[in-house]
Amino acid sequence: NAGVTQTPKFRILKIGQSMTLQCTQDMNHNYMYWYRQDPGMGLKLIYYSVGAGITDKGEVPNGYNVSRSTTEDFPLRLELAAPSQTSVYFCASRSGQGASYEQYFGPGTRLTVT
Amino acid sequence: GDSVTQMEGPVTLSEEAFLTINCTYTATGYPSLFWYVQYPGEGLQLLLKATKADDKGSNKGFEATYRKETTSFHLEKGSVQVSDSAVYFCALQPRASDGLTFGKGTHLIIQP
Repeated sequence: NAGVTQTPKFRILKIGQSMTLQCTQDMNHNYMYWYRQDPGMGLKLIYYSVGAGITDKGEVPNGYNVSRSTTEDFPLRLELAAPSQTSVYFCASRSGQGASYEQYFGPGTRLTVT
Repeated sequence: GDSVTQMEGPVTLSEEAFLTINCTYTATGYPSLFWYVQYPGEGLQLLLKATKADDKGSNKGFEATYRKETTSFHLEKGSVQVSDSAVYFCALQPRASDGLTFGKGTHLIIQP
């Protein structure tokens, strides 16, 4: 299993541009999450999904959109990039089965908006 | 709302020293508690977890006990190694479907 994969690893955007951060997991996990990590800070939840077709807002959803058309994929869309969205973005997934609450994280996408 | 507070870093120790990283939380109900570790340039990895009061999570010589009376989940290790140098995050999860709420992280530096 590859686990959770994210693309791209790095990206520089100009203010006002749009992009999609890709996230794929091959563990057949129901739950998927997007977090952002700002320097010197913990991760903050942007959006999450409990299964295909179901998404919900986290703590910091403004400026982002998500969709979940398949179990495997959970892309994050930035429509009008702003400097405040400069951050490292992590995708995570976990199984909905059993008592294990472990979230598995991808390697991250480092985004700079200038 | 829910929150996690952990000690500020960086924490610098010599190899074989005893480690404690403090973590306290505020939450309603009975959250699950976690310690994650992040090595340079990598994503987060689960280090240990506890899902109910008085549970002790342990892994790779690290351990933490879920203390509901003090709302704490302090991370300890008896003898640290240079390879333990990383950023450590304390986190809570209110319910199984929720995302994690993280502390700001503690940067640990172990000197040989």
